[in-house]
Amino acid sequence: KAGVTQTPRYLIKTRGQQVTLSCSPISGHRSVSWYQQTPGQGLQFLFEYFSETQRNKGNFPGRFSGRQFSNSRSEMNVSTLELGDSALYLCASSLTPDGGTQYFGPGTRLLVL
Amino acid sequence: DQQVKQNSPSLSVQEGRISILNCDYTNSMFDYFLWYKKYPAEGPTFLISISSIKDKNEDGRFTVFLNKSAKHLSLHIVPSQPGDSAVYFCAASDTGTASKLTFGTGTRLQVTL
Repeated sequence: KAGVTQTPRYLIKTRGQQVTLSCSPISGHRSVSWYQQTPGQGLQFLFEYFSETQRNKGNFPGRFSGRQFSNSRSEMNVSTLELGDSALYLCASSLTPDGGTQYFGPGTRLLVL
Repeated sequence: DQQVKQNSPSLSVQEGRISILNCDYTNSMFDYFLWYKKYPAEGPTFLISISSIKDKNEDGRFTVFLNKSAKHLSLHIVPSQPGDSAVYFCAASDTGTASKLTFGTGTRLQVTL
């Protein structure tokens, strides 16, 4: 069974631009969560989606948004990029939000110049 | 504020010996705890979890201990193997599940021959 896939794997943007990252969960998994990993803050929860609905949201500004499609694939968008948004963005999927292990993808590394 | 803390950024252990990784938390609402292992350029991989109603959970070479009164958990790896060399993250949730995780900053374990 294929794991969680994230595209693109690497991305370079400049301040003020926007970016969209994509996550395809493991087949059959309907819950998708996003995390940001930075050297200073570690791994921080961004948001969680299930059945195309956002269930939980972390403490990030409104520039960070996401959505989930009917096939459970998810995208996250960051608008008006700042230097501090440079990070590894990880997606994790699970069967449902309330049960099962979260399986992480390899991440998308975003560099904002 | 860092609600989940791993105070040892690194740990070196000889092959065959026990590795003990520690984690402290401050949020008394956390009721589910997990350990993840992470290799470079990969997403975290789930190792073992424990609910707050238990104080110990074992899975093969891995055992997690939870001391709720001290708000402390630890991961024991016995015996340690060179393939265990990685960064270990503890994570906690207040949902009773592996959802909306708050991660520690990680401990780099090196198992030497």
